[in-house]
Amino acid sequence: EVQLVESGGVVVQPGGSLRLSCAASGFTFDDYVMHWVRQVPGKGLEWVSLISWGGGNTYYVDSVKGRFTISRDNNKNSLYLQMNSLRIEDTALYYCAKGRGSSITSCPDYWGQGTPVTVSS
Amino acid sequence: QSALTQPPSASGSPGQSVTISCTGTSSDVGDYKYVSWYQQHPGKAPKLLIYEVTKRPSGVPDRFSGSKSGNTASLTVSGLQAEDEADYYCSSYAGSNNYVFGPGTKVTVL
Repeated sequence: EVQLVESGGVVVQPGGSLRLSCAASGFTFDDYVMHWVRQVPGKGLEWVSLISWGGGNTYYVDSVKGRFTISRDNNKNSLYLQMNSLRIEDTALYYCAKGRGSSITSCPDYWGQGTPVTVSS
Repeated sequence: QSALTQPPSASGSPGQSVTISCTGTSSDVGDYKYVSWYQQHPGKAPKLLIYEVTKRPSGVPDRFSGSKSGNTASLTVSGLQAEDEADYYCSSYAGSNNYVFGPGTKVTVL
């Protein structure tokens, strides 16, 4: 059974930093691309970032480029999102999601339960 | 990276069908076969219903079907059931290694 468990979400001040983690199990982690998707409570989904199966290629939505860094440790079956220079508009529930395959065009299929990030002074 | 367009709400009686549209542009929905649909119940994570426009993951009932014409994709839920009441989101690969989502459609089973 695919399981994705996010952690690391907290309340942080504007301009602060945070690192989210996602522990994956139930599948061969390094066979798949991985996504981060966020959702403001009561609002829609926003794709944030994608990392290739090997970790060598990373992609971001324009609003987080230069501030967020996605990474993965295939030895630990873990996905990460380093978030710097946080803004109030980054407040959301952050989901880790497994891609359907190894291609960049592989949409998210399995999702974790999310970890909440609140940026507030 | 503009979001896709969906109607805010849709409804139908049990047993009826409801179709949700998802309009993008020639740079996303119109240019790629990588349109997907997700169902989200309150307080739950999204669940993949449809990928690559028309394909269903194993375990998803065939009451859920997808299609696309030009820049608009559609999700049809046939034989509506009470448990189909949820938010539905479309998504598309948008080129340049990006994805976009629609704002979601709340489906109510009357």
